[in-house]
Amino acid sequence: AQRVTQPEKLLSVFKGAPVELKCNYSYSGSPELFWYVQYSRQRLQLLLRHISRESIKGFTADLNKGETSFHLKKPFAQEEDSAMYYCALRGPGGYQKVTFGTGTKLQVIP
Amino acid sequence: DAGVIQSPRHEVTEMGQEVTLRCKPISGHDYLFWYRQTMMRGLELLIYFNNNVPIDDSGMPEDRFSAKMPNASFSTLKIQPSEPRDSAVYFCASRAAGGPAGELFFGEGSRLTVL
Repeated sequence: AQRVTQPEKLLSVFKGAPVELKCNYSYSGSPELFWYVQYSRQRLQLLLRHISRESIKGFTADLNKGETSFHLKKPFAQEEDSAMYYCALRGPGGYQKVTFGTGTKLQVIP
Repeated sequence: DAGVIQSPRHEVTEMGQEVTLRCKPISGHDYLFWYRQTMMRGLELLIYFNNNVPIDDSGMPEDRFSAKMPNASFSTLKIQPSEPRDSAVYFCASRAAGGPAGELFFGEGSRLTVL
């Protein structure tokens, strides 16, 4: 079974401080990992995917297969980063099921 | 495109009543997903459809829950009878078969409160 764990429900950081949102997964294979974000009063939307190895809004995430982790990082937090962040996993082979974690609320303190 | 459209946005009902949530996916999208969001469990996949056919309904919590997709532009999630523990935000999402892997487009959600 595929499972995603986000251990922190709430993460509070000061503006300008580094951010790390933790995500661990359980999957017997090579999954695809994603981060979704939900800003206040907006729809849940894709932030980034591990396959693309991209940096979006200053955020990056590296897939560590040894530790089965996909932590989301940003060196300097901004107030507009305050939102709900969900880590998600999809199995390979065309299977469409996307499993989400319980989410972490990031609060950036001015 | 207005994106995925859900209705109602808010629903307050009493225990035992029937609740119907509606979803219009983005035109041309082949997959439709229903998720439930709660503080304790986060986003749980209830069911998803491919070309109007239910593919995986293993997340549907009980027989009180049912979902249909009579055509490519409309889906319903029904709870009958509703219970207070069904209170949650229900999201509908869609994606195209040829779209970027894993990218789901979400609606604004339907917040259900069962008294």
